[in-house]
Amino acid sequence: GDQVEQSPSALSLHEGTGSALRCNFTTTMRAVQWFQQNSRGSLINLFYLASGTKENGRLKSTFNSKESYSTLHIRDAQLEDSGTYFCAAEGGNTGYQNFYFGKGTSLTVIP
Amino acid sequence: EAAVTQSPRNKVTVTGGNVTLSCRQTNSHNYMYWYRQDTGHGLRLIHYSYGAGNLQIGDVPDGYKATRTTQEDFFLLLELASPSQTSLYFCASSDAYEQYFGPGTRLTVL
Repeated sequence: GDQVEQSPSALSLHEGTGSALRCNFTTTMRAVQWFQQNSRGSLINLFYLASGTKENGRLKSTFNSKESYSTLHIRDAQLEDSGTYFCAAEGGNTGYQNFYFGKGTSLTVIP
Repeated sequence: EAAVTQSPRNKVTVTGGNVTLSCRQTNSHNYMYWYRQDTGHGLRLIHYSYGAGNLQIGDVPDGYKATRTTQEDFFLLLELASPSQTSLYFCASSDAYEQYFGPGTRLTVL
């Protein structure tokens, strides 16, 4: 089964509002990375967290390894925030670094 | 910031064809990865590597071979391409922390 469950699968926000995206993990993960995929298909790094919370502008992310989840908060949404957001959890038991991706949240920001 | 390039950016081939996708990273990262992205599945790991000559099997390896010839170069080989391999392919590198992605290769198998 999937090791990363991402929700919601789709989200619409009016400009200036905010919301939270969430990833739940079915097993213990060492770290999480969040990406935005823009309209051209490029994957843009947003955050990498091994624990705690990071903030960058209107985005904030938290990773709780004990409770096996991570969140990405978007505030004051802008049109350019539209795209698909993915979390990727670092786990695996092979001794090598391995990532498991969620299926993404498709965000549409409405004027 | 890591620089990861992929070539070609677009490729069309026929069923049974032989395709090689190339990836190069210029930041001396040890890890390199090949993913495919399909609607409804997100990104799925095909193969990955920790250094030249090392190869690890990912989650969806069937029908794919990979080879890491140098620290910089990682290739994905489809020796008998099938329509089910039509997808968007991403290469990434990592310094054992963050992953950095290339721009992607769109492959169509007719």
